[in-house]
Amino acid sequence: DAKTTQPTSMDCAEGRAANLPCNHSTISGNEYVYWYRQIHSQGPQYIIHGLKNNETNEMASLIITEDRKSSTLILPHATLRDTAVYYCIVRVSYNNNDMRFGAGTRLTVKP
Amino acid sequence: DGGITQSPKYLFRKEGQNVTLSCEQNLNHDAMYWYRQDPGQGLRLIYYSQIVNDFQKGDIAEGYSVSREKKESFPLTVTSAQKNPTAFYLCASSIDGVGYEQYFGPGTRLTVT
Repeated sequence: DAKTTQPTSMDCAEGRAANLPCNHSTISGNEYVYWYRQIHSQGPQYIIHGLKNNETNEMASLIITEDRKSSTLILPHATLRDTAVYYCIVRVSYNNNDMRFGAGTRLTVKP
Repeated sequence: DGGITQSPKYLFRKEGQNVTLSCEQNLNHDAMYWYRQDPGQGLRLIYYSQIVNDFQKGDIAEGYSVSREKKESFPLTVTSAQKNPTAFYLCASSIDGVGYEQYFGPGTRLTVT
């Protein structure tokens, strides 16, 4: 799987959009971008994934650049409960055994 | 409610003892996984199983063992051969081992002294 690079930590004001970047410059054509988050001392929670096109669901939006070398997870209206570690993972779609969780980005939403 | 349960939440053992961590799911998922997480770090794959009676080693299987006798259950045994067993252990499942997202349990925090 392609290696991902994320900032160690970020802050966001409550009610504002949180934009979490991820670099994956060596991504292959058949690799998807997945995002999970982990609230302190809990199991990770799936957020969203995509291949080429931008994706949106009830939790977040995923913006993938045209060259696919980077992506941004957007939480449109961050709340205090969105404070968590966010993991960006790149993996092939047909191999669920290749999930590689790095250190992620620690997002702190402040009142 | 469908989901993944892990018990207990906190577990304490003496060094040299084997300990088994429970993981049960009622999501009818074929694939199940065990991860280990150390403080401030990401998750590392210990073992995974794509189907009953079959399982494969992950990146850090040494000192661990698993069984998959039932679709719903995937217990992990931390043996005395595991040199640094104190960690947060997470179990996950997915519809199959191919392309679906993984759902995680709440985790078990194991402390060995």
